[in-house]
Amino acid sequence: GAVVSQHPSRVICKSGTSVKIECRSLDFQATTMFWYRQFPKQSLMLMATSNEGSKATYEQGVEKDKFLINHASLTLSTLTVTSAHPEDSSFYICSARDFRHGRYNSPLHFGNGTRLTVT
Amino acid sequence: AQTVTQSQPEMSVQEAETVTLSCTYDTSESDYYLFWYKQPPSRQMILVIRQEAYKQQNATENRFSVNFQKAAKSFSLKISDSQLGDAAMYFCAYERGTSYGKLTFGQGTILTVHP
Repeated sequence: GAVVSQHPSRVICKSGTSVKIECRSLDFQATTMFWYRQFPKQSLMLMATSNEGSKATYEQGVEKDKFLINHASLTLSTLTVTSAHPEDSSFYICSARDFRHGRYNSPLHFGNGTRLTVT
Repeated sequence: AQTVTQSQPEMSVQEAETVTLSCTYDTSESDYYLFWYKQPPSRQMILVIRQEAYKQQNATENRFSVNFQKAAKSFSLKISDSQLGDAAMYFCAYERGTSYGKLTFGQGTILTVHP
């Protein structure tokens, strides 16, 4: 079945460096993908909507210059955390909907998430 | 803006018993979907059940059922015959009908199942 693959699953980086997280739809095209952030034992908060071929739409309070999103193809969206700091340490999850079977039968798939630790 | 509220940060249940998780939401839309997701310690998001707002019948999936009260904007999840594997964080989520998968999540409820 359709799967969304997220890579890497875990990453540790030093403060001030940049980290790229990939979200890939494996057997369907996703013109729209979503990026969420989750702190321990808290809810998923939408960060941005990634649109293929156009600029991402960021939620209020999310710094677009810090969290760069690129959706260069119909199967790949990337989230780059630039100049990462310890407060950026979190769990990042992407999702995409598979519309191959119509609007009302379109499952929403989540990646398995990326645990980012900034030291 | 839509909001989703889960007022129970933690719940516990004995194995084989029934537990109900609460969720309320606020929206001015008429076309929307509601979901319950399970997130085990692996952090993987697992769809438990989905409800279309236009359907009056409550959704059921094996041991999981919902009580969808549209006028009250309430969407509770009932887990029957609870199993140890049901222990996880549960999220209630809302999606506007014109969205392409953009979800608003509640705060989550940690469910503990006692043997």
